[in-house]
Amino acid sequence: AQKITQTQPGMFVQEKEAVTLDCTYDTSDPSYGLFWYKQPSSGEMIFLIYQGSYDQQNATEGRYSLNFQKARKSANLVISASQLGDSAMYFCAMRAYYKLSFGAGTTVTVRA
Amino acid sequence: GAGVSQSPSNKVTEKGKDVELRCDPISGHTALYWYRQSLGQGLEFLIYFQGNSAPDKSGLPSDRFSAERTGGSVSTLTIQRTQQEDSAVYLCASSRQGSQGASTDTQYFGPGTRLTVL
Repeated sequence: AQKITQTQPGMFVQEKEAVTLDCTYDTSDPSYGLFWYKQPSSGEMIFLIYQGSYDQQNATEGRYSLNFQKARKSANLVISASQLGDSAMYFCAMRAYYKLSFGAGTTVTVRA
Repeated sequence: GAGVSQSPSNKVTEKGKDVELRCDPISGHTALYWYRQSLGQGLEFLIYFQGNSAPDKSGLPSDRFSAERTGGSVSTLTIQRTQQEDSAVYLCASSRQGSQGASTDTQYFGPGTRLTVL
């Protein structure tokens, strides 16, 4: 069974600063994928970034980067240069085979 | 291109009534998933369709829940005799390959249907 843990229920960040969202996972599968999704107040789940278990380099997508530490089983999301539009709930998820298992989420509030 | 669409966006029903939720996946995606998001349970997997294969129904919480996917495209999630604990946001997602793809196969979500059972 897969388990995703996000220990930060809520975070505040100042506009233009960086913020790191923690995610740890547990799985016995050797091949898996890690995903981060953003859920604004509108409710839609928006795909942000992906990291494969065999990837040697950390994934980056624009202002999003993933700090992948396989031995520690962590996949933290870093949002650089925060914008007001980044205020949302962020979910870490793991895909093994085809199902996604999600963490509880972290609410990020960006302050002007 | 068009993303995953779901209808209705909101549904209010009375306890004991049946409801149908619809999902239109991204064109060309062979895999379709239903998830439920509720305050107490977070995001839960419900059911998975892949092409013409038998669906994985392992996440359906009771036999009041059923789903079908017609013509490998549109899917309908049906909840019979709704209960107050069924109140949640029902999210549909699709991906290009599903289980036939690698772990890179990304699921793209629709806007969800918010179901309220009175």
